Amino acid sequence: DADVTQTPRNRITKTGKRIMLECSQTKGHDRMYWYRQDPGLGLRLIYYSFDVKDINKGEISDGYSVSRQAQAKFSLSLESAIPNQTALYFCATSDHDPNSYNEQFFGPGTRLTVL
Amino acid sequence: QKEVEQNSGPLSVPEGAIASLNCTYSDRVSQSFFWYRQYSGKSPELIMSIYSNGDKEDGRFTAQLNKASQYVSLLIRDSQPSDSATYLCAVNGRTGGFKTIFGAGTRLFVKA
Repeated sequence: DADVTQTPRNRITKTGKRIMLECSQTKGHDRMYWYRQDPGLGLRLIYYSFDVKDINKGEISDGYSVSRQAQAKFSLSLESAIPNQTALYFCATSDHDPNSYNEQFFGPGTRLTVL
Repeated sequence: QKEVEQNSGPLSVPEGAIASLNCTYSDRVSQSFFWYRQYSGKSPELIMSIYSNGDKEDGRFTAQLNKASQYVSLLIRDSQPSDSATYLCAVNGRTGGFKTIFGAGTRLFVKA
């Protein structure tokens, strides 16, 4: 079984709809991240959480919100989707152990299309 | 100036050759450096981590770090068509709460 899973894997929705992307992990890591990837722009950080009670904005958090329901679960919501949120979304995890130097492990991704 | 810069490519090498991928970063206090491989439509996969100046070898892959020049590279020896992918350089520093900054990636094409 995959260590980091994301649901759904693909989603097509319409402008204005609320969308939730879910991420679960069995790696036992404390830190979880949401990224989006657009062609030519690389991975950009949306939100990150270092533990259940810790939520931090990344570089492109506008239009997004997150919920850390448990150590293993981190959800990303688009309250009112717009077409420029069409992208590939990745969840990632890392260990808090300083010796791990924050190596991140990624889920399979969710391809979101907003019409 | 981008925080992590990579040549977008594509870099084309013949099968069996050495592929050399380069990355520069702007944050001098960066602590750890990573190379991820990403096949089209798939998620990034960690292939190398390096934390100290010098070379680190793992199979056909060698990562090289020069903190004074703020430069990190990845060498792939005996390149195979299956190495054709986008390679992302990532840098983690103590600024910004240990966030990792990713480069936009270099596309590598290995010709059979």
